[in-house]
Amino acid sequence: DGGITQSPKYLFRKEGQNVTLSCEQNLNHDAMYWYRQDPGQGLRLIYYSQIVNDFQKGDIAEGYSVSREKKESFPLTVTSAQKNPTAFYLCASHGTSPSEQYFGPGTRLTVT
Amino acid sequence: QQQVKQSPQSLIVQKGGIPIINCAYENTAFDYFPWYQQFPGKGPALLIAIRPDVSEKKEGRFTISFNKSAKQFSLHIMDSQPGDSATYFCAASRGRGSTLGRLYFGRGTQLTVWP
Repeated sequence: DGGITQSPKYLFRKEGQNVTLSCEQNLNHDAMYWYRQDPGQGLRLIYYSQIVNDFQKGDIAEGYSVSREKKESFPLTVTSAQKNPTAFYLCASHGTSPSEQYFGPGTRLTVT
Repeated sequence: QQQVKQSPQSLIVQKGGIPIINCAYENTAFDYFPWYQQFPGKGPALLIAIRPDVSEKKEGRFTISFNKSAKQFSLHIMDSQPGDSATYFCAASRGRGSTLGRLYFGRGTQLTVWP
C-alpha cells in the first residue's frame, strides 16, 4: 500500500525533553510538510521541504527542527524550547501535482 | 494574518439538509482551492478542488461554488448524511514561486448531521 505513515499514534513526554516524530512516505513525493493542529486553529505550517537536504520554516517553526536526509523521510523534533508542544501533528506530502497534498494519520503528542 | 477565512466554525443540520461552508481569500495569486475532510483522530483527506477558471464543480454530493470577483468559494453538501459529520477545511495555494504547493488553510468547520 502506498501512503504516508506517522509513528507513534500517541506520544507522551515530560516537559523539558526533546521528542522526535516520525514521517515516512512511499509515494515517491519530493515535497513534504509538517503541520500542527489545535482545536479551532486549523492547520498551521511548521516546516516544509521541497527536495532532499533542503527545508524551509513555516509560520510556527520556533521550538521545532527537521531534517531531510532521505526522500522518504522527514522527521520532526519538538524541542524543549517549544512552549506549548501538546498538539496533534500532521505530516503531508505531494508529488507532481503540487497542490494535491496527502496527509498521514497524525501523531498526538502530550507533554506534561 | 489568516490568508483564508472560513465560516461558520460549527454547523448542525438534519439528515437530508444542505450544509454550506464559506471561505474567503485576499491574495489574487491563489489559483487552486481544495477542500479537505477530517474525521476525529485521522489526517485530512482531499475531498474536492477547484481552479478559478470554472465557477462550479460537482463530485457526487459535494459541490464547490467559486466567485472569482468576490474572492469567495463555498462547499455545499447535498442530501447530507450522518456519515458526513466531520471537520471540513478549505485551503488555497498558488502554483508559482518558491512556495509552490504550499497550502493556506482556513480554521475549519465542524459539521454535525443529525439522523
